[in-house]
Amino acid sequence: AQSVTQPDIHITVSEGASLELRCNYSYGATPYLFWYVQSPGQGLQLLLKYFSGDTLVQGIKGFEAEFKRSQSSFNLRKPSVHWSDAAEYFCAVGSYNNNDMRFGAGTRLTVKP
Amino acid sequence: GAVVSQHPSWVICKSGTSVKIECRSLDFQATTMFWYRQFPKQSLMLMATSNEGSKATYEQGVEKDKFLINHASLTLSTLTVTSAHPEDSSFYICSARGLQETYEQYFGPGTRLTVT
Repeated sequence: AQSVTQPDIHITVSEGASLELRCNYSYGATPYLFWYVQSPGQGLQLLLKYFSGDTLVQGIKGFEAEFKRSQSSFNLRKPSVHWSDAAEYFCAVGSYNNNDMRFGAGTRLTVKP
Repeated sequence: GAVVSQHPSWVICKSGTSVKIECRSLDFQATTMFWYRQFPKQSLMLMATSNEGSKATYEQGVEKDKFLINHASLTLSTLTVTSAHPEDSSFYICSARGLQETYEQYFGPGTRLTVT
């Protein structure tokens, strides 16, 4: 069965600093990988996704993620964090037809002024 | 495009009553809709998958008689929490996958249910 691990429950960074959120997955076939962001009391917004092709994926709001098959990782990065980036971030793995999308536990990002 | 709405956005009900949550795909036809539950500061847990016109498939441990799911049209799925109890209080999120989609789900804004 597929699973997702986000090792960091909570990360604090200073505004303007770079950010990397870790995501490791376990899946037997080619995974379809997603990063979502959730503000308090809100639904999920898709930041980016990876299905195939270029392993460095660009998303919205200046985020990018790199798929590394050898490390079973799909880490999310941003070169300069803004205060508005403070939110909960979820990594998810799915399969073809996505009837079985699994989410990681989430990483809460706090941005210090 | 690919907008999913939920109604209501929040609801408070008394213990023992039933409450219905609607999930609508506004600008596309959704052959499959998914219902998730999220406890505070936790991740999303898939409750069930519903395909238009057929019975929902529930995840292990989810009571199908308690959480009734209906997907009567290509744009509407409903989740009814029957005989609600305080432990059913949670954030419920739906998502939908369109006719042309095989990978991506589009998420609704969620519904906060509080049972008193």
